[in-house]
Amino acid sequence: IQMTQSPSSLSASVGDRVTITCRASQSISQYSNWYQQKLGKAPRLLIYAASSLQSGVPSRFSGSGSGTDFTLTINSLQPEDFATYYCQQSYSTPWAFGQGTKVEIK
Amino acid sequence: EVQLVESGGGLVQPGGSLRLSCAASGFSFSSFSMNWVRQAPGKGLEWVAHVSSSSGTIYYADSVMGRFTISRDNAKNSLHLQMSSLRDEDTAVYYCVRYDSDYVGSWFDPWGQGTLVTVSS
Repeated sequence: IQMTQSPSSLSASVGDRVTITCRASQSISQYSNWYQQKLGKAPRLLIYAASSLQSGVPSRFSGSGSGTDFTLTINSLQPEDFATYYCQQSYSTPWAFGQGTKVEIK
Repeated sequence: EVQLVESGGGLVQPGGSLRLSCAASGFSFSSFSMNWVRQAPGKGLEWVAHVSSSSGTIYYADSVMGRFTISRDNAKNSLHLQMSSLRDEDTAVYYCVRYDSDYVGSWFDPWGQGTLVTVSS
Protein backbone atom coordinates (compact mmCIF):
# COMPACT_ATOMS: atom_id res chain seq x y z
CA ILE A 1 0.00 0.00 0.00
CA GLN A 2 1.48 3.36 -1.08
CA MET A 3 0.79 6.65 0.67
CA THR A 4 0.91 9.81 -1.42
CA GLN A 5 1.06 13.15 0.38
CA SER A 6 0.34 16.59 -1.01
CA PRO A 7 1.71 19.11 -1.19
CA SER A 8 5.37 18.15 -0.79
CA SER A 9 6.01 21.57 0.70
CA LEU A 10 4.11 24.71 1.58
CA SER A 11 4.77 28.18 2.93
CA ALA A 12 2.47 29.60 5.56
CA SER A 13 2.35 32.37 8.12
CA VAL A 14 1.85 32.20 11.86
CA GLY A 15 -1.87 32.06 12.50
CA ASP A 16 -2.74 30.41 9.17
CA ARG A 17 -4.81 27.28 8.85
CA VAL A 18 -2.83 24.53 7.11
CA THR A 19 -4.18 21.39 5.49
CA ILE A 20 -2.08 18.42 4.36
CA THR A 21 -3.62 15.50 2.51
CA CYS A 22 -2.62 11.87 2.15
CA ARG A 23 -4.06 9.33 -0.26
CA ALA A 24 -3.68 5.58 0.13
CA SER A 25 -3.35 3.36 -2.93
CA GLN A 26 -6.19 1.19 -1.59
CA SER A 27 -8.73 1.45 1.20
CA ILE A 28 -7.15 1.31 4.66
CA SER A 29 -10.27 2.10 6.71
CA GLN A 30 -9.14 4.35 9.57
CA TYR A 31 -5.60 2.88 9.83
CA SER A 32 -3.76 6.12 9.22
CA ASN A 33 -1.38 8.04 11.47
CA TRP A 34 0.40 11.41 11.31
CA TYR A 35 3.87 12.31 12.61
CA GLN A 36 5.76 15.58 12.98
CA GLN A 37 9.52 15.75 12.53
CA LYS A 38 11.60 18.80 13.33
CA LEU A 39 15.05 19.24 11.82
CA GLY A 40 17.56 16.88 13.40
CA LYS A 41 14.99 15.29 15.71
CA ALA A 42 13.09 12.03 15.83
CA PRO A 43 9.50 11.93 14.55
CA ARG A 44 6.69 12.48 17.03
CA LEU A 45 3.23 10.94 16.85
CA LEU A 46 0.47 13.54 16.44
CA ILE A 47 -2.65 11.68 15.28
CA TYR A 48 -3.45 7.97 15.34
CA ALA A 49 -6.37 6.02 13.86
CA ALA A 50 -7.07 8.89 11.45
CA SER A 51 -8.56 11.29 13.99
CA SER A 52 -7.42 10.50 17.54
CA LEU A 53 -5.17 13.15 19.09
CA GLN A 54 -2.13 11.72 20.86
CA SER A 55 -1.78 12.72 24.49
CA GLY A 56 0.14 15.95 24.93
CA VAL A 57 -0.40 17.17 21.37
CA PRO A 58 -2.01 20.64 21.11
CA SER A 59 -5.66 20.69 20.11
CA ARG A 60 -4.90 22.88 17.07
CA PHE A 61 -3.87 19.63 15.36
CA SER A 62 -6.67 17.48 13.98
CA GLY A 63 -7.04 14.58 11.60
CA SER A 64 -9.89 13.28 9.49
CA GLY A 65 -10.68 10.80 6.77
CA SER A 66 -11.23 7.13 6.12
CA GLY A 67 -10.87 4.71 3.26
CA THR A 68 -8.26 6.23 0.97
CA ASP A 69 -8.27 9.95 1.76
CA PHE A 70 -6.90 11.52 4.94
CA THR A 71 -6.27 15.06 6.10
CA LEU A 72 -4.10 16.68 8.76
CA THR A 73 -5.22 20.18 9.71
CA ILE A 74 -3.28 22.66 11.81
CA ASN A 75 -5.47 25.52 13.03
CA SER A 76 -3.66 28.77 13.81
CA LEU A 77 -0.13 27.72 12.88
CA GLN A 78 2.42 28.43 15.59
CA PRO A 79 6.18 29.06 15.23
CA GLU A 80 6.95 25.66 16.72
CA ASP A 81 4.84 23.92 14.05
CA PHE A 82 7.29 24.56 11.24
CA ALA A 83 8.46 21.03 10.51
CA THR A 84 7.98 18.10 8.16
CA TYR A 85 4.82 16.02 8.50
CA TYR A 86 4.41 12.37 7.49
CA CYS A 87 1.35 10.20 7.12
CA GLN A 88 1.63 6.42 7.63
CA GLN A 89 -0.63 3.47 6.95
CA SER A 90 -0.91 0.80 9.65
CA TYR A 91 -3.37 -1.41 7.73
CA SER A 92 -0.86 -3.99 6.56
CA THR A 93 2.85 -4.68 6.27
CA PRO A 94 5.00 -3.30 4.85
CA TRP A 95 3.90 -0.26 6.84
CA ALA A 96 4.47 2.71 4.56
CA PHE A 97 4.95 6.41 5.09
CA GLY A 98 4.08 9.26 2.80
CA GLN A 99 6.98 11.19 1.31
CA GLY A 100 6.52 14.07 3.73
CA THR A 101 5.23 17.64 3.64
CA LYS A 102 7.61 20.39 4.69
CA VAL A 103 5.85 23.37 6.29
CA GLU A 104 7.98 26.48 5.96
CA ILE A 105 7.65 30.06 7.13
CA LYS A 106 6.28 32.48 4.57
CA GLU B 1 9.31 8.42 31.39
CA VAL B 2 9.41 6.14 28.39
CA GLN B 3 12.89 6.13 26.84
CA LEU B 4 14.45 4.39 23.87
CA VAL B 5 18.20 4.83 23.42
CA GLU B 6 19.92 3.46 20.34
CA SER B 7 23.60 2.61 20.02
CA GLY B 8 25.95 0.80 17.69
CA GLY B 9 25.91 3.03 14.66
CA GLY B 10 29.03 4.01 12.79
CA LEU B 11 31.01 3.80 9.57
CA VAL B 12 31.18 0.42 7.84
CA GLN B 13 32.43 -0.67 4.45
CA PRO B 14 30.08 -2.07 1.80
CA GLY B 15 29.56 -5.76 2.42
CA GLY B 16 30.29 -5.37 6.11
CA SER B 17 28.20 -5.99 9.20
CA LEU B 18 26.97 -3.95 12.13
CA ARG B 19 24.76 -4.60 15.14
CA LEU B 20 22.46 -1.93 16.48
CA SER B 21 21.01 -2.00 19.96
CA CYS B 22 18.18 -0.16 21.69
CA ALA B 23 17.85 0.12 25.46
CA ALA B 24 14.27 0.57 26.62
CA SER B 25 13.11 1.97 29.94
CA GLY B 26 10.05 3.45 31.58
CA PHE B 27 7.53 0.87 30.35
CA SER B 28 6.86 -2.85 30.35
CA PHE B 29 9.13 -3.73 27.45
CA SER B 30 8.03 -7.37 27.27
CA SER B 31 4.42 -6.29 26.63
CA PHE B 32 5.07 -4.35 23.42
CA SER B 33 6.08 -5.14 19.88
CA MET B 34 9.07 -3.15 18.65
CA ASN B 35 10.27 -1.88 15.30
CA TRP B 36 13.20 -0.32 13.48
CA VAL B 37 12.51 2.58 11.10
CA ARG B 38 15.23 4.30 9.09
CA GLN B 39 15.72 7.60 7.33
CA ALA B 40 18.36 8.14 4.67
CA PRO B 41 20.01 11.58 4.69
CA GLY B 42 17.54 14.18 3.45
CA LYS B 43 14.92 11.53 2.69
CA GLY B 44 11.68 10.24 4.17
CA LEU B 45 10.92 7.48 6.65
CA GLU B 46 11.17 3.79 5.78
CA TRP B 47 9.94 0.97 8.03
CA VAL B 48 12.61 -1.75 8.33
CA ALA B 49 11.59 -4.54 10.71
CA HIS B 50 9.07 -5.59 13.38
CA VAL B 51 9.24 -8.08 16.23
CA SER B 52 6.30 -9.01 18.44
CA SER B 53 6.47 -8.96 22.22
CA SER B 54 7.39 -12.63 22.48
CA SER B 55 9.46 -12.71 19.26
CA GLY B 56 6.85 -15.03 17.80
CA THR B 57 6.09 -12.76 14.85
CA ILE B 58 8.76 -11.01 12.79
CA TYR B 59 8.38 -8.97 9.63
CA TYR B 60 10.94 -7.32 7.36
CA ALA B 61 10.85 -4.82 4.55
CA ASP B 62 11.75 -6.38 1.21
CA SER B 63 14.78 -4.09 0.99
CA VAL B 64 16.46 -5.78 3.99
CA MET B 65 15.00 -9.30 3.91
CA GLY B 66 17.74 -11.91 4.17
CA ARG B 67 20.37 -9.36 5.24
CA PHE B 68 18.99 -7.92 8.50
CA THR B 69 17.85 -9.78 11.60
CA ILE B 70 15.73 -8.22 14.32
CA SER B 71 15.80 -9.69 17.81
CA ARG B 72 14.99 -8.77 21.39
CA ASP B 73 15.97 -9.73 24.91
CA ASN B 74 13.05 -9.10 27.24
CA ALA B 75 15.14 -9.93 30.30
CA LYS B 76 17.46 -7.04 29.41
CA ASN B 77 14.83 -4.69 27.95
CA SER B 78 16.78 -4.50 24.73
CA LEU B 79 16.11 -4.60 21.00
CA HIS B 80 18.70 -5.41 18.36
CA LEU B 81 19.20 -5.20 14.62
CA GLN B 82 21.95 -7.34 13.12
CA MET B 83 22.82 -5.91 9.72
CA SER B 84 24.99 -7.78 7.22
CA SER B 85 25.91 -7.46 3.53
CA LEU B 86 25.52 -3.73 3.97
CA ARG B 87 25.05 -1.55 0.91
CA ASP B 88 25.51 2.15 0.24
CA GLU B 89 21.72 2.53 0.25
CA ASP B 90 21.54 1.29 3.85
CA THR B 91 23.14 4.56 4.96
CA ALA B 92 20.57 6.16 7.26
CA VAL B 93 19.61 7.14 10.75
CA TYR B 94 18.04 4.07 12.36
CA TYR B 95 15.27 4.66 14.89
CA CYS B 96 14.08 2.22 17.54
CA VAL B 97 10.30 2.58 17.81
CA ARG B 98 7.65 1.11 20.07
CA TYR B 99 4.59 -0.33 18.36
CA ASP B 100 1.35 0.41 20.13
CA SER B 101 -2.14 -0.68 19.24
CA ASP B 102 -5.72 -1.01 20.37
CA TYR B 103 -9.09 -1.73 18.77
CA VAL B 104 -8.90 1.40 16.58
CA GLY B 105 -5.53 0.74 15.03
CA SER B 106 -1.78 0.70 15.59
CA TRP B 107 0.97 3.31 15.57
CA PHE B 108 4.65 4.01 16.26
CA ASP B 109 5.23 5.80 19.56
CA PRO B 110 7.62 6.80 20.98
CA TRP B 111 10.77 7.00 18.87
CA GLY B 112 14.36 6.87 20.03
CA GLN B 113 16.80 9.63 19.08
CA GLY B 114 18.31 7.48 16.33
CA THR B 115 21.76 6.16 15.49
CA LEU B 116 23.55 6.93 12.22
CA VAL B 117 24.84 4.11 10.06
CA THR B 118 27.14 5.13 7.19
CA VAL B 119 28.09 2.55 4.58
CA SER B 120 31.05 3.77 2.57
CA SER B 121 34.46 2.68 1.38
